[in-house]
Amino acid sequence: SSELTQDPAVSVALGQTVRITCQGDSLRSYYASWYQLKPGQAPVLVIYDKNNRPSGIPDRFSGSSSGNTASLTITGAQAEDEADYYCNSRDSSGNHLVFGGGTKLTVL
Amino acid sequence: QVQLVQSAAEVKKPGASVKVSCKASGYTFTSYDINWVRQATGQGLEWMGWTNPKSGSIGYAQNFQGRVTMTRDTSISTVYMELSSLRSEDTAVYYCARGPSGNDNYYMDVWGQGTTVTVSS
Repeated sequence: SSELTQDPAVSVALGQTVRITCQGDSLRSYYASWYQLKPGQAPVLVIYDKNNRPSGIPDRFSGSSSGNTASLTITGAQAEDEADYYCNSRDSSGNHLVFGGGTKLTVL
Repeated sequence: QVQLVQSAAEVKKPGASVKVSCKASGYTFTSYDINWVRQATGQGLEWMGWTNPKSGSIGYAQNFQGRVTMTRDTSISTVYMELSSLRSEDTAVYYCARGPSGNDNYYMDVWGQGTTVTVSS
């Protein structure tokens, strides 16, 4: 079982805002990073250090964190945002990494 | 440009071992960790472990302890991941990914293209 918990699936209407959450005790001590995964492609880092975007990631992607919950928000979701999203952080020991179970985002 | 290039797909029989390589270019190889992550068919991402190319230190996820070995050759900026005693459940795409050595708040910003490993009799 994963130490980081995500909702399995979330949907959003085109152009609307969606929040994907990730819960875990280690998130009280460490920020989560977020990855977008599309079929046949390698994962892409979309948010790191709570709310930093790598170069090339649209500013509609943002991150936040409170207590044991990290969130990825997409403001004005686009069709191309339909993908699986995974959070990742150190585990409760701090010595290893762990992924959440992933959230499948559907853009309607 | 910064990139990680992985070795080609492999087909192995149950009980065999597989060794996947990950060659780094475009940055200082010893300044970043290399992580290994896999995605089995129909499953999520699973972190397998990491290695620090500068020190050679390694850390393996508990699920893979005793079956995985990560090594590096700094002369050719390459990291290797060997998984032994393969079973059908190890059929997956294996990725290497770069991470910032020593950061408490960790992330993986550059990924290899993935190597498909198929375990079948």
